[in-house]
Amino acid sequence: QSVLTQPPSVSAAPGQKVTISCSGGTSNIGYNYVSWYQQFPGTAPRLLIYENNKRPSGIPDRFSGSKSGTSATLDITGLQTGDEADYYCGAWDSSVSWVFGGGTKLTVL
Amino acid sequence: EVQVVESGGELIKAGRSLRLSCTTSGFSFGDYAMGWFRQAPGKGLEWVGFIRNKAYGEKADYAASVRGRFVISRDDSKSIAYLQMNTLKTEDTAVYYCSRVGVPGLNYFDFWGQGTLVTVSS
Repeated sequence: QSVLTQPPSVSAAPGQKVTISCSGGTSNIGYNYVSWYQQFPGTAPRLLIYENNKRPSGIPDRFSGSKSGTSATLDITGLQTGDEADYYCGAWDSSVSWVFGGGTKLTVL
Repeated sequence: EVQVVESGGELIKAGRSLRLSCTTSGFSFGDYAMGWFRQAPGKGLEWVGFIRNKAYGEKADYAASVRGRFVISRDDSKSIAYLQMNTLKTEDTAVYYCSRVGVPGLNYFDFWGQGTLVTVSS
């Protein structure tokens, strides 16, 4: 049972938009930054979004993040088959720990 | 170019100890905190712990699941972070990843290694 709650899976057609939610509480998302990570099977995670809505160099602007209260969302527009991956949200928790969501598997139909 | 490379994973019996290394290059290692994570087969990401840099006393924090058994250390002269794993359990079986902590603060992890597999047998 993860501290942050994500849907196990989402799907959409190529070219469409998908939203992945991440729900937490006041001890984590409510007072701390959220980051998002993309992971393809058998590879290392990659930072996608940091500090709620910032993109590292090299991440396309099709990926965007936002936060409101104790929840965060990752939006992916103009879906491509190459976006099929697992996506994880993460945040610092005031219990002195870093917490992840359980991960969301994105399928591009 | 920032590079992060883990090593040291192997098949090992429960109860024994193992040390993983995280060798880095391409950035000023001493300026950054470093984190360790793991991913059990077919499962999600789990934070193991991290170690701050010298400016913050090289203080380390750990997940409850490993606290008291695992120790993170660093050697700034070699740009290497270590994960000493003691009294290993079968549930410690996972791919272990190392990552640089983005600055400022402990808000995200920006460069990850490819991981090293630790398999703990009973």
